[in-house]
Amino acid sequence: NAGVTQTPKFQVLKTGQSMTLQCAQDMNHNSMYWYRQDPGMGLRLIYYSASEGTTDKGEVPNGYNVSRLNKREFSLRLESAAPSQTSVYFCASSSTFWNTEAFFGQGTRLTVV
Amino acid sequence: DAKTTQPTSMDCAEGRAANLPCNHSTISGNEYVYWYRQIHSQGPQYIIHGLKNNETNEMASLIITEDRKSSTLILPHATLRDTAVYYCIGVSNTNAGKSTFGDGTTLTVKP
Repeated sequence: NAGVTQTPKFQVLKTGQSMTLQCAQDMNHNSMYWYRQDPGMGLRLIYYSASEGTTDKGEVPNGYNVSRLNKREFSLRLESAAPSQTSVYFCASSSTFWNTEAFFGQGTRLTVV
Repeated sequence: DAKTTQPTSMDCAEGRAANLPCNHSTISGNEYVYWYRQIHSQGPQYIIHGLKNNETNEMASLIITEDRKSSTLILPHATLRDTAVYYCIGVSNTNAGKSTFGDGTTLTVKP
């Protein structure tokens, strides 16, 4: 049972390039989330999808877009990468939108130069 | 949303109980207190959560004060593998989309 799988694990982008971070969960969870973690800091919520077909902004959505492709997959897109987006990105899922534990992927380490 | 305050760091001797405090004085009545930990740079791992009653599972115990303004996570017999950053957050159905992990407490378990 893989849980939450993120791809890629590492990525280096040049300023202005675009890319999509992929996330898939195999636990039949309804809710999925994208967080970023800057060095030495806690996780901040970028976007979330409470259920298939819905997405909403979290605390730090600027510069990002998301797609809930189906119940399993939730992707995060950077349209024009900036050095300030250098961070570790974590995807998570939970069975319901609240009151249940969240399971996290292993992260994508993104560097924008 | 509940703003949580945790000490920056704590040490604990291996085999002893680790007691990690969290202040959440602004927590609302429907917000649950969740605890997660992050080992090295891995994805956070769920530990335990509760509303107002004390909770226990195979990993830890959660003690919530009667006024719900603070809580304590207890690792009964800390091991070196429990060295991690521990996060306390308040989550409800109205703020779950805004849930942010603060800076947490870095727990170092020493031999």
